[in-house]
Amino acid sequence: GEDVEQSLFLSVREGDSSVINCTYTDSSSTYLYWYKQEPGAGLQLLTYIFSNMDMKQDQRLTVLLNKKDKHLSLRIADTQTGDSAIYFCAEYQKGNTPLVFGKGTRLSVIA
Amino acid sequence: DVKVTQSSRYLVKRTGEKVFLECVQDMDHENMFWYRQDPGLGLRLIYFSYDVKMKEKGDIPEGYSVSREKKERFSLILESASTNQTSMYLCASSLAPSAGGADTQYFGPGTRLTVL
Repeated sequence: GEDVEQSLFLSVREGDSSVINCTYTDSSSTYLYWYKQEPGAGLQLLTYIFSNMDMKQDQRLTVLLNKKDKHLSLRIADTQTGDSAIYFCAEYQKGNTPLVFGKGTRLSVIA
Repeated sequence: DVKVTQSSRYLVKRTGEKVFLECVQDMDHENMFWYRQDPGLGLRLIYFSYDVKMKEKGDIPEGYSVSREKKERFSLILESASTNQTSMYLCASSLAPSAGGADTQYFGPGTRLTVL
């Protein structure tokens, strides 16, 4: 079957913006998620967006959703070294089925 | 805040041993999940449970079993550990979504298991 696709690595300079992209599989997915995993830790819910929204902003985080292209992105403004982590996107497809996760994007922030 | 705890952060076992990984959540969530995480492979779902005494196979159930005797506790069992089960194991829980609702999962800190 189709996978949730993410690029594996992204490197940015401190203070720049980061954009992490994700392509999901099911155009009828109702919720799309971003999780953050710091080294040696579990996944932490960052934010999610409902499918009837195009954009959601939360402080330095901006989520953009393009349902036509099944494309989700996470923009981190003024990226800091503490943002270095693996970022997972996930989709909720239907009816109490488990979330489908991408393989994660490792963000490295260079000071 | 939702709290999901796992019994051990690090575990070292020998090939052939029976291994129990415990997960407890304190938010009365119906759903619980076990994943393993390996470099380059992302998260892979092993088993999940939607209610007490219920279980469903995920994508990679072979070599594992689970137990859910109480709502708050979900155990992952490796009947006879093998070296290819060396991995990071993550537990998660979620509230059963109402119609139109979401399946927001909350994760524990993970157990790094090494099988020698």
